[in-house]
Amino acid sequence: QVQLQESGPGLVKPSETLSLTCSVSGASITAYYWSWIRQPPGKGLEWIGYIYYSGSTNYNPSLKSRVTISVGTSRQHFSLKLTSVTAADTAVYYCARELVSGYSDFWGQGTLVTVSS
Amino acid sequence: DIQMTQSPSSLSASVGDRVSITCRASQSISSYLNWYQHKPGKAPRLLIYAASSLQSGVPSRFSGSGSGTDFTLTISSLQPEDFATYFCQQSHSTPRTFGQGTKVEIK
Repeated sequence: QVQLQESGPGLVKPSETLSLTCSVSGASITAYYWSWIRQPPGKGLEWIGYIYYSGSTNYNPSLKSRVTISVGTSRQHFSLKLTSVTAADTAVYYCARELVSGYSDFWGQGTLVTVSS
Repeated sequence: DIQMTQSPSSLSASVGDRVSITCRASQSISSYLNWYQHKPGKAPRLLIYAASSLQSGVPSRFSGSGSGTDFTLTISSLQPEDFATYFCQQSHSTPRTFGQGTKVEIK
C-alpha cells in the first residue's frame, strides 16, 4: 500500500521560507507525478504544482515565482519550498501522487503550517 | 484557470438516502473530472476518476456521471461511514482546480 507523509515546521515567520518534505513508502517515485496541494482555513483546495520523477515541474502560475518542488536524492521523498511567506500562506499542506491521467490516487494526511511572527 | 462550481455546499441526509452532488466546469473538460471523499484529519480518498470510473476498493454505491461541463456524484444508499466532505477536481489542464466541497451531514 502506498503511503505519503508530510513533515516540516508547523510555524513559519512572515517573509521566511516554508519547507516541507513528503516521504513516500510502498512505491518508488519513479514514473509518477508528485504534487503539493494546500487548503487555507475555511477555504477550498489549491493546487500548488507537481514534479515528474525525471525532474520536470509544473507550477500554479499564482505561486510560480515563489515555489520550488524537488525530488530527494534517495528518490523516496520529494520536497516543497515556498519563499517570502505571508499569513495568506497559512494552510494545511497535502502531498499526493498524481497519475498520468491527472487524478491523485494517494494523498498524505496533511500538515498545518501557520505563518505568524 | 478552469473554475469548478460545486453544489450544494452542504446537505443533511439520513442513512439509506440517495444523495447527488453536482460539479460544473467553467469550460468543457471532456471527462477529466475526479471525485474525492475527505474526512477530518485523514488523507483525501479518490472515489471516481475520469467522470465515471470507480476507483479500486470503492463501494459500488458510489457512481459518477457527466461530461463536458456538468458532472454528478451519486451515493445510491448513504451509509454511516459516508458522512464526510466531497470535492471534485478537474484534470483537463493545469493548474488543477477543485470545487469548494460538499459537506454531507447526518439528518
